[in-house]
Amino acid sequence: DADVTQTPRNRITKTGKRIMLECSQTKGHDRMYWYRQDPGLGLRLIYYSFDVKDINKGEISDGYSVSRQAQAKFSLSLESAIPNQTALYFCATSDLVAGRDTQYFGPGTRLTVL
Amino acid sequence: GDSVTQMEGPVTLSEEAFLTINCTYTATGYPSLFWYVQYPGEGLQLLLKATKADDKGSNKGFEATYRKETTSFHLEKGSVQVSDSAVYFCALSDQGAQKLVFGQGTRLTINP
Repeated sequence: DADVTQTPRNRITKTGKRIMLECSQTKGHDRMYWYRQDPGLGLRLIYYSFDVKDINKGEISDGYSVSRQAQAKFSLSLESAIPNQTALYFCATSDLVAGRDTQYFGPGTRLTVL
Repeated sequence: GDSVTQMEGPVTLSEEAFLTINCTYTATGYPSLFWYVQYPGEGLQLLLKATKADDKGSNKGFEATYRKETTSFHLEKGSVQVSDSAVYFCALSDQGAQKLVFGQGTRLTINP
């Protein structure tokens, strides 16, 4: 079984709809992240959480919110989806090892907003 | 702020060719450096990493050396295969920020 899972894998929705993307991990890591990937822009950080009670905004948090329901679960919500939020979304986890941070990624959710 | 700049793609090579993908960075402090690979339809996987100056990361025939004097972490492979076709991302992690900053990615296609 995959260590980091994301649901759904694909989603098509309409402008103005509320959408939730879910991420679960079995790696036992404390840290979880949400990124979006756009062609030619690499990955950009939306939100991150270093433990259940810690939530931090990333580079592009406007229009998004998150919930860390448990150590293993981190959800990303789009309160009112708009077309420029069409992208590939990745969840990642990490655990500080020897003072350095290696991240492990889920398979991604492809979101299309019409 | 911290940033990573990668060689623009796409890059197309023939099988068994030598590969270099350039990566340079700007950071305060002493970042760790990473190469991630994304195969079609999949998430990112860690390919290799280096945590201090002059360290060489290596995996699956790929290598990259952390060069503090030139702020670079170029990815190399001596003989590429069709199965190496993927998108490659250079990234850094500043220990203080504890977050990854990615380059824009380089798409590599290897033809038989």
